[in-house]
Amino acid sequence: AQSVSQHNHHVILSEAASLELGCNYSYGGTVNLFWYVQYPGQHLQLLLKYFSGDPLVKGIKGFEAEFIKSKFSFNLRKPSVQWSDTAEYFCAVTVYSSASKIIFGSGTRLSIRP
Amino acid sequence: GAGVSQSPRYKVAKRGQDVALRCDPISGHVSLFWYQQALGQGPEFLTYFQNEAQLDKSGLPSDRFFAERPEGSVSTLKIQRTQQEDSAVYLCASWGRGGDTEAFFGQGTRLTVV
Repeated sequence: AQSVSQHNHHVILSEAASLELGCNYSYGGTVNLFWYVQYPGQHLQLLLKYFSGDPLVKGIKGFEAEFIKSKFSFNLRKPSVQWSDTAEYFCAVTVYSSASKIIFGSGTRLSIRP
Repeated sequence: GAGVSQSPRYKVAKRGQDVALRCDPISGHVSLFWYQQALGQGPEFLTYFQNEAQLDKSGLPSDRFFAERPEGSVSTLKIQRTQQEDSAVYLCASWGRGGDTEAFFGQGTRLTVV
């Protein structure tokens, strides 16, 4: 069965620090990959997605992620975080051949010190 | 509508009570998903519809959980004889037709079983 692992449960950074959140998935076939963000009290929102093409994907609010197929990874990065980036971040995957369930990781809580 | 709408936003149920949670997807979206999100965890897949057909219900935790989407639009998740372990946020998402798109999530229904 497919699964998604997020290595960091809680990350605490100061403003302007660089961010990298790890995500690994387990599936040998073609996948679609996503990062979702959940701000306090709000619904899940898409940050960025990878379907095909350039493995370096740019999303909203200065976030980017790199798909490394050989490592089954899709890490999220941001060069300089802001206090407003405080949120829960979820990596997710769907199996390309089946437009069915999105499998989520357990999430990483990001806290930014002002 | 503009987004995925879920009702009620909050529900408190006494143990043993039946509850029904409603999801209004984005108009025209073919696929609809239900997820359960426990506190501090990522969303866990419950079930998936394509139009009115329930294609995957492998995530429903017990036969007390039942979902329907009779006309291929609004969906209802029903939980019979609620238990304390059913306390969670129940998320609904809809996904449009086409390969390169994304799932849009509602704000969820927070169910508390007392």
